[in-house]
Amino acid sequence: EPEVTQTPSHQVTQMGQEVILRCVPISNHLYFYWYRQILGQKVEFLVSFYNNEISEKSEIFDDQFSVERPDGSNFTLKIRSTKLEDSAMYFCASSEGPGLIQYFGAGTRLSVL
Amino acid sequence: AQSVTQLGSHVSVSEGALVLLRCNYSSSVPPYLFWYVQYPNQGLQLLLKYTSAATLVKGINGFEAEFKKSETSFHLTKPSAHMSDAAEYFCAVSDQTNNLFFGTGTRLTVIP
Repeated sequence: EPEVTQTPSHQVTQMGQEVILRCVPISNHLYFYWYRQILGQKVEFLVSFYNNEISEKSEIFDDQFSVERPDGSNFTLKIRSTKLEDSAMYFCASSEGPGLIQYFGAGTRLSVL
Repeated sequence: AQSVTQLGSHVSVSEGALVLLRCNYSSSVPPYLFWYVQYPNQGLQLLLKYTSAATLVKGINGFEAEFKKSETSFHLTKPSAHMSDAAEYFCAVSDQTNNLFFGTGTRLTVIP
């Protein structure tokens, strides 16, 4: 069964460093998403991406964040200068279209020290 | 604005007992509602989805949920818990933009 793959499963970084979280969506999907979950809190929407551009972003998704689909298969989330409060589980998801089921990856746990 | 509230961050049931996980929603438009499950070290997996058709929705693994507009609820149930049901369960609501708004999750423990 096709699945969304995220790497790495756990990323440890120092405050102020840049990190790139990687996702390989399901191959025929056109819509891509990033969510995050701070420990003990809700899963929060960060950004949606379609046709090589951001469709929508939340208030959390400030100038420190960016997304890219560099090669037609990977979908990346970059945090330019990490802060302690960026420590969270980051989930990537993809769907065939709007209103259709979103399939999630297993997540990347980001720990900022 | 859309949001969901899951009552109970932890629920424990005995094997074979009824599972009831509570979810209440708030939505300014007719909602799409979802239950996702997360097993350890895996991604979020869709259990079931409500999209304004039948109010009783059946999902995978014997789970079902009933949409009750009068109570703004979408509780998840399973008649008989199995050890393999132990996981984290997330209720979510979708708005017109297709983005999902999740609850804080409920961890289900099944006691043998």
